[in-house]
Parts: sequence; C-alpha cells; structure tokens
Amino acid sequence: QLQLQESGPGLVKPSGTLSLTCTVSGGSVVSYKWWAWVRHSPAQGLEWIGEVYQTGSTIYHNSFKSRVAMSLDESKNSFSLELSSVSAADTAVYYCARDRGGNAFDLWGPGTVVIVSS
Amino acid sequence: QSVLTQPPSVSAAPGHNVTISCSGGTSNIGENYVSWYQQLPGSAPQLLIYETSQRPSGIPDRFSASKSGTSATLHIAGLRTGDEADYFCGTWDSNVYAGRMFGGGTKLTVL
Repeated sequence: QLQLQESGPGLVKPSGTLSLTCTVSGGSVVSYKWWAWVRHSPAQGLEWIGEVYQTGSTIYHNSFKSRVAMSLDESKNSFSLELSSVSAADTAVYYCARDRGGNAFDLWGPGTVVIVSS
Repeated sequence: QSVLTQPPSVSAAPGHNVTISCSGGTSNIGENYVSWYQQLPGSAPQLLIYETSQRPSGIPDRFSASKSGTSATLHIAGLRTGDEADYFCGTWDSNVYAGRMFGGGTKLTVL
C-alpha cells in the first residue's frame, strides 16, 4: 500500500529556507507521474505550492515561483520542497500528495507543522 | 482569499441531506474538473470526489457531486456524526497560471 511521509525541521528562522522531504513507501516514486506539495494555514486555507514530475520537471504556483524549488530523488524514493526567504506567513501544516490527474490528489501524507519564528 | 467560494459553515441533523457549494469562474470550474476533499480534525485531507462526479473506491455513495456552469456542489445524503469535518473543493485555473486551487473550506456540523 502506497504511503507518504513528510519530514524536516519543524522550526525555521525568518528569512531562512524551509526544507522538507516526502518519502514514498510501498511503491516507487518514478512509477507515478506528478507529486505535489500543499500547505494549510488558518489564514490562507489550503494552498497548492507546486508539483514535481517523475522526470524532475516542475510546475509552481505563481505566488511561490520566485522562492520555491522542488526535486525528486529516485535513489531515496522521495521528493522534496525548498521554500526560501520564509516569513511568519509561511507557518502552516505542509502536506505532500500524489496528483492522480483530473485535478485531484488521491494520496496525502499525514502533514508536518512548520513554524517560522526566531 | 480563495478564488473558489464556499460557505464557511453548514449544519444539519443526522439522517438529513446537505449540500455544499463551490462557486468559481469560467477559467476554473467552468472548464475544468472539480475535486472534493474531506478533512477530519487532526487529519490530512481525503479525496471524496474526482473528475467532478467520480468517487474513488471506498467512498460511500452517500457522497455525490455535480457541476453547473461555474459552480460545483457536493451532496451528502443520510448524514452521520462521523461526517462532521471540513470540506474543500479544488480545481485548476486555465486563465492565469496559478495552477491548482482550493476553496476556502466549509465546516459541516452534524447537529
């Protein structure tokens, strides 16, 4: 059974870089097409940050494009998110998810809380 | 503020039916598939509906959805206390390269 698990620091300093990894278990990360990062905060609700394709191609939300990078590591069966120049507004629960196509995410990780604070 | 507008809350008694609306525009709901998610407290979102009206395996047929023009609707029949959760709609915007988007969410209270 395919499962996703986010990992990374729960506390990031303002102006720093948020780095998260999503480890895929029960299947290969390159066996599926698109993998996504979504965050949830009380202020902004659910926000799609972007996605990485099985080949490493990426697509990002315009709002994050200048400071986001996503990548995929087949050897570690994982994909990752880096968000730079963070501020308190980036405090949220971050989820990794699988994009099944048809504008739907059918598999989600449990989520990880990231707080931006000094 | 989300481009997709949902009512902040809805409520109904157990056994009753409820609908949750998701209003958008021609460049998003109007020409793209819509998905719906249920988020129970403390949990990740779960896909309820994909491609506007299709249910993944394991989702009861009490959950159904439809679309008309630039609005989509989630229908929940025979409410149960376990249905109390936040519900989100999602789609893609073809006009501005904002990609995928979600509604602001609707809190369903089962009285």
